[in-house]
Amino acid sequence: DGGITQSPKYLFRKEGQNVTLSCEQNLNHDAMYWYRQDPGQGLRLIYYSQIVNDFQKGDIAEGYSVSREKKESFPLTVTSAQKNPTAFYLCASSTLAGGLETQCFGPGTGLLVL
Amino acid sequence: SQKIEQNSEALNIQEGKTATLTCNYTNYSPAYLQWYRQDPGRGPVFLLLIRENEKEKRKERLKVTFDTTLKQSLFHITASQPADSATYLCALGAGNNRKLIWGLGTSLAVNP
Repeated sequence: DGGITQSPKYLFRKEGQNVTLSCEQNLNHDAMYWYRQDPGQGLRLIYYSQIVNDFQKGDIAEGYSVSREKKESFPLTVTSAQKNPTAFYLCASSTLAGGLETQCFGPGTGLLVL
Repeated sequence: SQKIEQNSEALNIQEGKTATLTCNYTNYSPAYLQWYRQDPGRGPVFLLLIRENEKEKRKERLKVTFDTTLKQSLFHITASQPADSATYLCALGAGNNRKLIWGLGTSLAVNP
């Protein structure tokens, strides 16, 4: 079955440690996205990538880094520079068809930094 | 700046009634608008897309309207069921811009 996987579902880290969240898709989508979701704040775009080896900052990129070495994979690293890393992180992918963009989301990863 | 507003308060309705959710936007000219459903602790799931030149779209018990003059979309769920309880998000898109503009979502609770 085609889809997007994120792992792990929950992640615990100590403050000051970097952590990498995994996102893999087998939908053959060209674009991938990382969002952060906090209660009452909706989806906020962290980074997105339209093609392999290229990515752009979203609205809240500070303290995060990404790579896009393969079409299927778009890992997100939450660095120690991110002041409030505890949140629910969602990965999505999409393809542009007829000028229309519909995003498919993974199940999300809940990150708790103690 | 671009802004999307959805009903900020949770919507509670009785099973069997029609739920109507609102999405208003400003400072934007979307080429299309989408509605997604999100359950707690899970990723959003795409429901419907409506283009700027379409007035209404239907899918089973779901109906979306799009008024570009009022800058508003209405999302209707007819014959609502407790299983429809979730948060519903609207998102705007424009042409080849790969970034969607997201609303905060409206929480819907359908009571049996």
